Amino acid sequence: NAGVMQNPRHLVRRRGQEARLRCSPMKGHSHVYWYRQLPEEGLKFMVYLQKENIIDESGMPKERFSAEFPKEGPSILRIQQVVRGDSAAYFCASSQNWGRGEINEKLFFGSGTQLSVL
Amino acid sequence: GESVGLHLPTLSVQEGDNSIINCAYSNSASDYFIWYKQESGKGPQFIIDIRSNMDKRQGQRVTVLLNKTVKHLSLQIAATQPGDSAVYFCAEKRRGRGSTLGRLYFGRGTQLTVWP
Repeated sequence: NAGVMQNPRHLVRRRGQEARLRCSPMKGHSHVYWYRQLPEEGLKFMVYLQKENIIDESGMPKERFSAEFPKEGPSILRIQQVVRGDSAAYFCASSQNWGRGEINEKLFFGSGTQLSVL
Repeated sequence: GESVGLHLPTLSVQEGDNSIINCAYSNSASDYFIWYKQESGKGPQFIIDIRSNMDKRQGQRVTVLLNKTVKHLSLQIAATQPGDSAVYFCAEKRRGRGSTLGRLYFGRGTQLTVWP
């Protein structure tokens, strides 16, 4: 039973390039969340998605950042025209939908993608 | 050993001792709390959770205590082992209009170091 899978583990980009971070949730999980972590800080919520729907993107910067969770395939966090301030660890988490509108609040995290912008 | 949350982000203990990691949360509307352990280069790993209608919950070698009066959460680790060395985060889920499951608010974290 594989956990949350993220790739790549490390991503180096030059300023102005695009970064694409991928996340496959745990089997049976239909809810995906992206968090960002700066050095020696806690995780900060960015966006919450279900299949083909963005539920809450209030933690995401308005410009250059976008996220999707298509019907097929992994969730993608996309950062356009990266700047040095985007350098951080980006974590994806997933949770299970028990049905009847009840969602298991326990989040399972992946190992993260460390983005470095040169 | 005991940490004082945000003001003392490091805690060093001897192997075999008990550890207490503290966390102060800010929102009285929070109804669910989780402790995560994060080892270097890895994602947060779930340790234990507690709902606001409880004061205490025990797991294997870990106990979480919740004091809603002073908005304080603590994680107790019994017989601490070198493998327990990591950063420990408390996280809260806030109830209320517009709140969304999965939107956890994380504390800054406490670095626990266990000496053999």
